[in-house]
Amino acid sequence: DGGITQSPKYLFRKEGQNVTLSCEQNLNHDAMYWYRQDPGQGLRLIYYSQIVNDFQKGDIAEGYSVSREKKESFPLTVTSAQKNPTAFYLCATLGGVRTGELFFGEGSRLTVL
Amino acid sequence: GENVEQHPSTLSVQEGDSAVIKCTYSDSASNYFPWYKQELGKRPQLIIDIRSNVGEKKDQRIAVTLNKTAKHFSLHITETQPEDSAVYFCAASIEVRAGSARQLTFGSGTQLTVLP
Repeated sequence: DGGITQSPKYLFRKEGQNVTLSCEQNLNHDAMYWYRQDPGQGLRLIYYSQIVNDFQKGDIAEGYSVSREKKESFPLTVTSAQKNPTAFYLCATLGGVRTGELFFGEGSRLTVL
Repeated sequence: GENVEQHPSTLSVQEGDSAVIKCTYSDSASNYFPWYKQELGKRPQLIIDIRSNVGEKKDQRIAVTLNKTAKHFSLHITETQPEDSAVYFCAASIEVRAGSARQLTFGSGTQLTVLP
């Protein structure tokens, strides 16, 4: 079954703890993205990666980190430096630079207690 | 950077009526404008897109129009049905260089409710 798998679907974390969200894809897409979704604010770009071992900050990168060691994987770490981490996180891949279509995972909901 | 504003934030229509959602963008270099639909509890999915070299695009009951001069684009849904109820997001992006990954800037979303 082709697609994008995000895990975990739900995650609870205590303040001061780092947490890593997983994103795995088998679509053979080069570019991958992490978005944060908050009510009434749309989707905001955290980080994106165009190719293995390369990634760029998006609009709200502070308090987050990523890695891209494999084409299939683009994990996001929410660090304790992120002031308001409770949110819904969406991973996406770019279908092709010519199409421009993003394919999204099902998301991970992080709640900080 | 790019800024995309979307209106209205909520929209209720009777089944069978039309719905229109409007977006404006700030960067005149933006050249790609997709619309995504997100049903409750599901992932966003592309429903239609338009590039800056055309002014209108249709796909069955949905259409998108683009006014480059005014820097705004709109989504039109005709003959609305209950299954059209969802959050709709507009977006704008620039292809920084040929073959590069696009950065999409999204609007804040419109909750569309189609009343039976």
